[in-house]
Amino acid sequence: AQKITQTQPGMFVQEKEAVTLDCTYDTSDPSYGLFWYKQPSSGEMIFLIYQGSYDQQNATEGRYSLNFQKARKSANLVISASQLGDSAMYFCAMREVLFGNEKLTFGTGTRLTIIP
Amino acid sequence: DAMVIQNPRYQVTQFGKPVTLSCSQTLNHNVMYWYQQKSSQAPKLLFHYYDKDFNNEADTPDNFQSRRPNTSFCFLDIRSPGLGDAAMYLCATSRARESRTDTQYFGPGTRLTVL
Repeated sequence: AQKITQTQPGMFVQEKEAVTLDCTYDTSDPSYGLFWYKQPSSGEMIFLIYQGSYDQQNATEGRYSLNFQKARKSANLVISASQLGDSAMYFCAMREVLFGNEKLTFGTGTRLTIIP
Repeated sequence: DAMVIQNPRYQVTQFGKPVTLSCSQTLNHNVMYWYQQKSSQAPKLLFHYYDKDFNNEADTPDNFQSRRPNTSFCFLDIRSPGLGDAAMYLCATSRARESRTDTQYFGPGTRLTVL
């Protein structure tokens, strides 16, 4: 069963608009971590934002915020005031600890293109 | 300033010719990971080291091996690369293994081409 689902393979957004990238997850573990990474065409995976399952407030990092809805098992990334440099692949990931070993499971990604 | 460094950034090898990819880190993290990422796919974990403790994923082919001579360095050896091994190889580090909140930091990747 897929643990991380990103239903938007690609998105086109006008520069300066806000954009929401969807992510839903599935786990029976009450303690887990959710991450968003950005991967530009150069290939590097850049950590953007983290949300812990017990965190009461939604995480924010500059223009990035995470809309965490635990009951719905969703962790959407919101980018405010998008910029051309935001064009990249975006991966949602979940970290679980299974049998003493941690595992970071990635979704299939969303390719975001910012239009001037 | 670089925290996770991968060399080379681009590697071309011939079918069947062994190749070694290198990763180093300045974060003094306990855990180092190797991922394989094929075009338009999510990264796939190959194995990881917690200190010197090696942990192989069940579906990682025997063709892939790893070495970690010290805290800072980790190597990925592909003994006999096939055309299907052409991919981006990403190294990542984290401070702890059994922490759900710990962030993994990635290097820039090595893009491997197999001719």
